[in-house]
Amino acid sequence: DTGVSQDPRHKITKRGQNVTFRCDPISEHNRLYWYRQTLGQGPEFLTYFQNEAQLEKSRLLSDRFSAERPKGSFSTLEIQRTEQGDSAMYLCASSLAAGAGLGRSANFGPGTRLTVT
Amino acid sequence: DAKTTQPPSMDCAEGRAANLPCNHSTISGNEYVYWYRQIHSQGPQYIIHGLKNNETNEMASLIITEDRKSSTLILPHATLRDTAVYYCIVRLGWGGSEKLVFGKGTKLTVNP
Repeated sequence: DTGVSQDPRHKITKRGQNVTFRCDPISEHNRLYWYRQTLGQGPEFLTYFQNEAQLEKSRLLSDRFSAERPKGSFSTLEIQRTEQGDSAMYLCASSLAAGAGLGRSANFGPGTRLTVT
Repeated sequence: DAKTTQPPSMDCAEGRAANLPCNHSTISGNEYVYWYRQIHSQGPQYIIHGLKNNETNEMASLIITEDRKSSTLILPHATLRDTAVYYCIVRLGWGGSEKLVFGKGTKLTVNP
């Protein structure tokens, strides 16, 4: 399978603990995105990388959240001092910069489901 | 990005065409219409996108009205595996924000 992969698929943690998720994009894709999805809602954008540069961040990405993509390949999303409100599905997506007229379509991974108890 | 309006739910009989509407009355001239779907417990899956002409691929057809204020996603022969939440998204094809703005989508249930 050469799609976007995420690890772990499920994570249960206690409030106040730190967690880190990993995303491996499709190898030739230079753009990588993180989204969060709560029950019954559509995914919400968190942040976006082009290669190793973090170019856009949502206001949803509080100071407790940090994302990195050190070598322009895989990415990590860390949540410090988790709160119950952080319980959600965290989705990663990647895409290839498209030329004019092609538009853009993102390939999503299966997500990491976080439960904070 | 322009906002979209979709019905919260729809039903379709297996083997019949599923026609999913989307209103995007404030769409601008350089914004594309994208459709994604999300099967339960999976990440969203890209289906199709278009600017102003109708588009067809192996998964679906996209019909965009001449004024571009609405569109319809057509699944020509729906199967049980097409049961999912379908999202209509409008965004710039290039330039502007990179994010996809998802609404709540339409929950399509394909019945046997």
